[in-house]
Amino acid sequence: KNQVEQSPQSLIILEGKNCTLQCNYTVSPFSNLRWYKQDTGRGPVSLTIMTFSENTKSNGRYTATLDADTKQSSLHITASQLSDSASYICVVSACGNNRLAFGKGNQVVVIP
Amino acid sequence: DAGVTQSPTHLIKTRGQHVTLRCSPISGHKSVSWYQQVLGQGPQFIFQYYEKEERGRGNFPDRFSARQFPNYSSELNVNALLLGDSALYLCASSQAGTNSIGEQFFGPGTRLTVL
Repeated sequence: KNQVEQSPQSLIILEGKNCTLQCNYTVSPFSNLRWYKQDTGRGPVSLTIMTFSENTKSNGRYTATLDADTKQSSLHITASQLSDSASYICVVSACGNNRLAFGKGNQVVVIP
Repeated sequence: DAGVTQSPTHLIKTRGQHVTLRCSPISGHKSVSWYQQVLGQGPQFIFQYYEKEERGRGNFPDRFSARQFPNYSSELNVNALLLGDSALYLCASSQAGTNSIGEQFFGPGTRLTVL
């Protein structure tokens, strides 16, 4: 079973609307959680990184939340734009471990 | 300042051939990791190198090998290519030490197609 599960698998939203992506993880002991945006055929680009003590972090129209007790994170996109169409990948790392656990990504399509 | 660079951007090979992919990390970064990303899936960890030594290996067959050079650039080699090796191969660099991965910066990837 994957240590990082993301939902929904894919999402179509209208331009200008908001959406929220979910990430649940079982990685332990937890070190940090990252959200990446990956355009089709390109490398992932970091949006946010959160450690255990942080429960919210924003990067422009992207806001990530973290609940380390329930091992859940969300990425909220505000006022979506066509350029937000991409895969959003949740990545979790464990303490003292140089491995990262990747989710399969949330595929977001923004339509005009 | 240049980010992580990878070459080539695209590559087409036939089954049984060998391929070498190259990665140059961000200046000052000593750690390079390689990932395989099949269409529709998240990246799968292949290798991590730090200070020219292998620090981690994912669940990939021995056909996959890598090395890191004194300038911290890296090569990923795949022998006896199979159709299933078709994927986007991502390289990521970080300032990580031996026990922490740090923030990883990804390159644009090399799209490998095996026919």
